[in-house]
Formats: sequence, C-alpha cells, structure tokens
Amino acid sequence: NAGVMQNPRHLVRRRGQEARLRCSPMKGHSHVYWYRQLPEEGLKFMVYLQKENIIDESGMPKERFSAEFPKEGPSILRIQQVVRGDSAAYFCASSLGQGGWQYFGPGTRLTVT
Amino acid sequence: TQLLEQSPQFLSIQEGENLTVYCNSSSVFSSLQWYRQEPGEGPVLLVTVVTGGEVKKLKRLTFQFGDARKDSSLHITAAQPGDTGLYLCATPNAGGTSYGKLTFGQGTILTVHP
Repeated sequence: NAGVMQNPRHLVRRRGQEARLRCSPMKGHSHVYWYRQLPEEGLKFMVYLQKENIIDESGMPKERFSAEFPKEGPSILRIQQVVRGDSAAYFCASSLGQGGWQYFGPGTRLTVT
Repeated sequence: TQLLEQSPQFLSIQEGENLTVYCNSSSVFSSLQWYRQEPGEGPVLLVTVVTGGEVKKLKRLTFQFGDARKDSSLHITAAQPGDTGLYLCATPNAGGTSYGKLTFGQGTILTVHP
C-alpha cells in the first residue's frame, strides 16, 4: 500500500516563474492538507481540501498561491511568480476522513534562485 | 507567539544518555501528538495522547500528557544514533476547527553521537 507521494522531490525555479507541486494521497484517502516548513518558522498549515472542494485556506498567502484537488488526479499546489521567500519544503498529508490521522509525504523542496 | 513552545530547541548528546523534550502551552488541548522528522523526509506520527496524566510507551520512548492537558513531554532512555532527528509536537483543531488541521511547535533537533 503506497504512502503519500509528492513530486517533484526537488524543484528549482527562477524568480517570476511558476511552481507546481503535486501530491497523491494514500489510496482511499480523500482529505488532503498542505503545510510549509521554513527554517525560521517551523511547519505551518496552508490549506485543507477534500475532493473538488477547498475547505480551509486560512494559511495560504493571499496572492500567488492556489490549491486544487480535482475529482481525478493528484492535489496541486501552485505558486505563481515565485520569489526567494517562497523557498521552503512543502509537505502534503492525507487522511481517510475528516479529523483522521494524517500521513505525510516526503515533501517537495522548492528553491527559488 | 507560538501556541506550542518546545524546549530545548537543540540537543546534542552521546549514545546511551537519557533525555527529555518538552512541549508547553498556556492553552488546554483535547489531544497532543508527537512526530519525528528525519532529514529530507516528512514527519512521522509517533503517538497521540488524549487524557490528562496519560503515559504512553513506545520501546525506549515515554510520552506524558500533563494533568491539565496543557503540556507534554517525551523522554528517551539510552538514546541511539538512530534517534537523531527533529521532534515535533502538534495539536489538531486549535482554534475550534473540527477537521484535524495541525498546529506544530517549532521542534527540537536531537543529535545523538556514537
């Protein structure tokens, strides 16, 4: 039973480019959470999605960031016009049900040059 | 200010020593979780504590939830190099949500030298 998968594991973008981070939840899980880990801030919640719905995006920056979890396919975290401050490790986690235990993926390390 | 304050921030010890990591808050929680994160990987859940005063053991790791459910500790006996990693405490549903959104402490970086 495959765990949570994230790709790419490492992503390098120049300032102003777009970054797309993908997350495939564990089989049977329909709840996805995205978190960002910055060295000076620790691990912070960004957004919670269920299939085709954004439930809570209170941790998402107001501009340039968006997330989706379509009926088919992985969840996508999209960052437009990246800046150096977006450099971080981005983790997704999935759960079987609302409030269930969260299983984390290995993360995507984004570096903005 | 952090909802969950972890201490110490860094801990460097020799193999075989014992250690304790703390997670404190002024808020009361319905539950607390402990995770371990190794370099280049995502956090892995170690334990969830839900009852005030609860003690849970996982091999050489002992987790305790404070009686008032405001704090927790993780004690490792006879640490081994394989215990090296970032230890995080977290609580779901801070702020009254019901779907498990996690709030993390800043973590303790543990290094165990052979």
